[in-house]
Amino acid sequence: ETGVTQTPRHLVMGMTNKKSLKCEQHLGHNAMYWYKQSAKKPLELMFVYNFKEQTENNSVPSRFSPECPNSSHLFLHLHTLQPEDSALYLCASSQETGNIQYFGAGTRLSVL
Amino acid sequence: EDQVTQSPEALRLQEGESSSLNCSYTVSGLRGLFWYRQDPGKGPEFLFTLYSAGEEKEKERLKATITKKESFLHITAPKPEDSATYLCAVRSLSPGNTGKLIFGQGTTLQVKP
Repeated sequence: ETGVTQTPRHLVMGMTNKKSLKCEQHLGHNAMYWYKQSAKKPLELMFVYNFKEQTENNSVPSRFSPECPNSSHLFLHLHTLQPEDSALYLCASSQETGNIQYFGAGTRLSVL
Repeated sequence: EDQVTQSPEALRLQEGESSSLNCSYTVSGLRGLFWYRQDPGKGPEFLFTLYSAGEEKEKERLKATITKKESFLHITAPKPEDSATYLCAVRSLSPGNTGKLIFGQGTTLQVKP
């Protein structure tokens, strides 16, 4: 498998649920990113990891908790989300931070 | 503050009708301007990177150009399969910038046969 793979593709959860989004990159990159994409809004950067270390948290609420166990895997743990958190969550990777970013297909999240 | 504005928000063309998409940017030192294409239900797909005024890149019916204030994505004789949302992003030299990209809101292009 090549590129950036995200699972699941679709997720529906209640406000009290706990779920996790998974991202895996097969490109040998060192940096990984989480973005939120809402309708009619620009992509919002959430977190940046470089060599497994978090280098940026863009004032994201604590109900979103990222985890990067190695340079190939990135998780986003979700708990007690709000309906306004419904969006497309995109993972990306790049050789180094600031280089060309390659995106996964995203997870479409609906919070009921 | 770094800013990226894309126009128009939406564009409808007939097949074969050439046009241009605009990306205006304000950054504290440009370290790269990126164009992406995004199809519905998919993640953005990288198209081009431009680094300095006067640079041009081409791919099939697409040509990207850049000045010190804006970039254009020119679409020549578009086909229905060119229908997508086109995103522009910049990387800047702003203090504290860890290399993150600042995205515009995108232009949604529809090409009718």
